[in-house]
Amino acid sequence: QKEVEQNSGPLSVPEGAIASLNCTYSDRGSQSFFWYRQYSGKSPELIMSIYSNGDKEDGRFTAQLNKASQYVSLLIRDSQPSDSATYLCAVNLLYYGGSQGNLIFGKGTKLSVKP
Amino acid sequence: DAGITQSPRYKITETGRQVTLMCHQTWSHSYMFWYRQDLGHGLRLIYYSAAADITDKGEVPDGYVVSRSKTENFPLTLESATRSQTSVYFCASRRTENTGELFFGEGSRLTVL
Repeated sequence: QKEVEQNSGPLSVPEGAIASLNCTYSDRGSQSFFWYRQYSGKSPELIMSIYSNGDKEDGRFTAQLNKASQYVSLLIRDSQPSDSATYLCAVNLLYYGGSQGNLIFGKGTKLSVKP
Repeated sequence: DAGITQSPRYKITETGRQVTLMCHQTWSHSYMFWYRQDLGHGLRLIYYSAAADITDKGEVPDGYVVSRSKTENFPLTLESATRSQTSVYFCASRRTENTGELFFGEGSRLTVL
């Protein structure tokens, strides 16, 4: 069973703090990794993608990938109340269901940023 | 720029009825997907399509049927709705097989009584 695991939360941080979201995956064949943000009642939207080990920064967001340990994380610096949402980790498996193109999603971590 | 649209956005039906959820995208993306999202389960793949007339099962295909006669449309049919199919359904598309960004529709909230 190929799995993507996340803490469901809620993760509560004060405004201005760093929020740290973690994700582990079971399949060592995983190639690509993504973080989606989903506001309540809305559809998911992509905020970060990462393909190789190390850090990738985009504005206040930093994605970190460690393939040896099979985890990927998302750091949100200077957290804002508008960052309050559910964050979904998604992993693109090399082969799943006959297609290379399918993403497996974690259940999501709910983040709450308190003013 | 309409993107990807789903209809209906909200639907209430009864057990045993047939329901079709529509999905239309204007980008000519090759790949299209149907997910369902439930509390405690996250997003689960129902069916996907790599191109017109090519479809395949995902993680939870039982009770669902799809077709893709045109690149831009990917309808999902529940042939005989059950209460366990009460969920929020998301259609998504992506340009290529290896491009990670899925573009999601706004979702269709289905309630089966």
